[in-house]
Amino acid sequence: GNSVTQMEGPVTLSEEAFLTINCTYTATGYPSLFWYVQYPGEGLQLLLKATKADDKGSNKGFEATYRKETTSFHLEKGSVQVSDSAVYFCALKRMDSSYKLIFGSGTRLLVRP
Amino acid sequence: SQTIHQWPATLVQPVGSPLSLECTVEGTSNPNLYWYRQAAGRGLQLLFYSVGIGQISSEVPQNLSASRPQDRQFILSSKKLLLSDSGFYLCAWTGIGTSGNTIYFGEGSWLTVV
Repeated sequence: GNSVTQMEGPVTLSEEAFLTINCTYTATGYPSLFWYVQYPGEGLQLLLKATKADDKGSNKGFEATYRKETTSFHLEKGSVQVSDSAVYFCALKRMDSSYKLIFGSGTRLLVRP
Repeated sequence: SQTIHQWPATLVQPVGSPLSLECTVEGTSNPNLYWYRQAAGRGLQLLFYSVGIGQISSEVPQNLSASRPQDRQFILSSKKLLLSDSGFYLCAWTGIGTSGNTIYFGEGSWLTVV
């Protein structure tokens, strides 16, 4: 079946540290991949996306590359800020008739000043 | 431009009472619609999705049901709430074909069952 696996949190970093949140997926066909961010008390916001292999999504200093050979879509940022503290969700969407959107369990990031 | 709204934003309901959460999308037609639940400290669970009027797919057997009476309206219901139904409920939509590469979420509804 289709699934998304994220690294467990919480991830605690100091400001300006390098961030990596791992995400791997299993899916039939060629899904689109997404990262969503949820700030405290708010809904989900699209952070970035990639729709085919080797695509790189980027936004607000975050990047993730669609790696078909390793079925991964790891989220990275070179220098995190306190304002990046949130829960990050990796997700996939099958682009076939099922239209299912499958999310990972989320990874909480805490950035300390 | 497209917008999505869901309501109510928060509600506190006693065990055994009914539930109705409503979601509407504007500015698009024939969207794919979804209901997710996020329990406290946990990830997002897909509850229902719909690819058209009257077409509902259920992902998890549970105390909830969904309906799509109109193209851009998606309703989440329960006849009798359980304590375990508490959580944050999110409605979402995508377009069809390549426009379905982006997912849009509503503001969310906080449900506390007491």
